[in-house]
Amino acid sequence: EAQVTQNPRYLITVTGKKLTVTCSQNMNHEYMSWYRQDPGLGLRQIYYSMNVEVTDKGDVPEGYKVSRKEKRNFPLILESPSPNQTSLYFCASSYTHSRAYEQYFGPGTRLTVT
Amino acid sequence: DQQVKQNSPSLSVQEGRISILNCDYTNSMFDYFLWYKKYPAEGPTFLISISSIKDKNEDGRFTVFLNKSAKHLSLHIVPSQPGDSAVYFCAASVVKGTTSGTYKYIFGTGTRLKVLA
Repeated sequence: EAQVTQNPRYLITVTGKKLTVTCSQNMNHEYMSWYRQDPGLGLRQIYYSMNVEVTDKGDVPEGYKVSRKEKRNFPLILESPSPNQTSLYFCASSYTHSRAYEQYFGPGTRLTVT
Repeated sequence: DQQVKQNSPSLSVQEGRISILNCDYTNSMFDYFLWYKKYPAEGPTFLISISSIKDKNEDGRFTVFLNKSAKHLSLHIVPSQPGDSAVYFCAASVVKGTTSGTYKYIFGTGTRLKVLA
């Protein structure tokens, strides 16, 4: 089954404790990205990757890091989480040959930073 | 600065009638527009897209209209069904830079559609 998986689905942590949210896709997609969803702000792109070892900032990259060492994986790293990073996070993937093509989204990770 | 705006946070429609969801944008460099549907506790799922060089795209009950001069697009759902009740996001893609070939997506804030049986 074609899918994007994220782990963990729920995470409660404390300020400053480094964490990683994993994302993996099994569709051989080149393009992967991370979004956060906040009330009244919709979905905002954090980082995206066009392919292995190619990453770039989205609209809200501050406080986040990513890496793309393998095509299927795109982890999101919060080196020193803060309460303003409490949010619902989505990973997505798609082919790059047409921007009209759909992105497949994971089920989301709800992060709470206290 | 919100480049993609969905000014109606919510919309209620009777089953069988037409639902019209609207989206306005400010960046004339957007080249594709997409609509996604999101149910609670799930990730968004793709509905339909349109190229900026087109003015209409249709897929079953879903039609997207693009008015470039007004920088406005709309999603029509006909007929509306209770299972269409969800949050709908419009999104736009834009190329970053002239040679890198990279692109990013900008999403709107979403409109919650409720279809009443």
